[in-house]
Amino acid sequence: NAGVMQNPRHLVRRRGQEARLRCSPMKGHSHVYWYRQLPEEGLKFMVYLQKENIIDESGMPKERFSAEFPKEGPSILRIQQVVRGDSAAYFCASSPSGAGTEAFFGQGTRLTVV
Amino acid sequence: RKEVEQDPGPFNVPEGATVAFNCTYSNSASQSFFWYRQDCRKEPKLLMSVYSSGNEDGRFTAQLNRASQYISLLIRDSKLSDSATYLCVVNDRSGGSNYKLTFGKGTLLTVNP
Repeated sequence: NAGVMQNPRHLVRRRGQEARLRCSPMKGHSHVYWYRQLPEEGLKFMVYLQKENIIDESGMPKERFSAEFPKEGPSILRIQQVVRGDSAAYFCASSPSGAGTEAFFGQGTRLTVV
Repeated sequence: RKEVEQDPGPFNVPEGATVAFNCTYSNSASQSFFWYRQDCRKEPKLLMSVYSSGNEDGRFTAQLNRASQYISLLIRDSKLSDSATYLCVVNDRSGGSNYKLTFGKGTLLTVNP
């Protein structure tokens, strides 16, 4: 089992560009969560998706951020028109059911906005 | 008040020392409690769950006091490999679901030779 795979591991974007972060859940997991860790901060919940559905996006900024988990392919976290404050580590987790306690985390994508 | 608050740290201890981490949480309806470990620039990994009766896993002991909304982690005979950031994590049940994890900021531990 390859575990939760995120790519890229590191991403550098200029202000105003778009960032696309990908997450392939563990085999057999249909529940995906995205968390953001700002420098010197704890992980903060962003969004919870289950195949083709957004269940809870209460932690996601209302503008510029979107997430999807299509029927086929990885989950995508998309950040449009990035700003310096978006620089952070973005972690994806997956679970076989909607229980966060069973979630395994990927290695994260470190986004740097220059 | 922050949802999950931890000792700010950092903690620097010699090998073999005993070190204790403290954590408080604000939501009295919180359901489940955990300690995670996060190595530098890596993902968080579950270290252990925390139960009201207290639980032990080798050199690690976790305690929960629901009345005080307080969680602790004790590491005995610390090793160099214990150096990491320790995250206090709470899982709240809301709307019939328990998918959301709330993390503390973490406490950095460095074990020195």
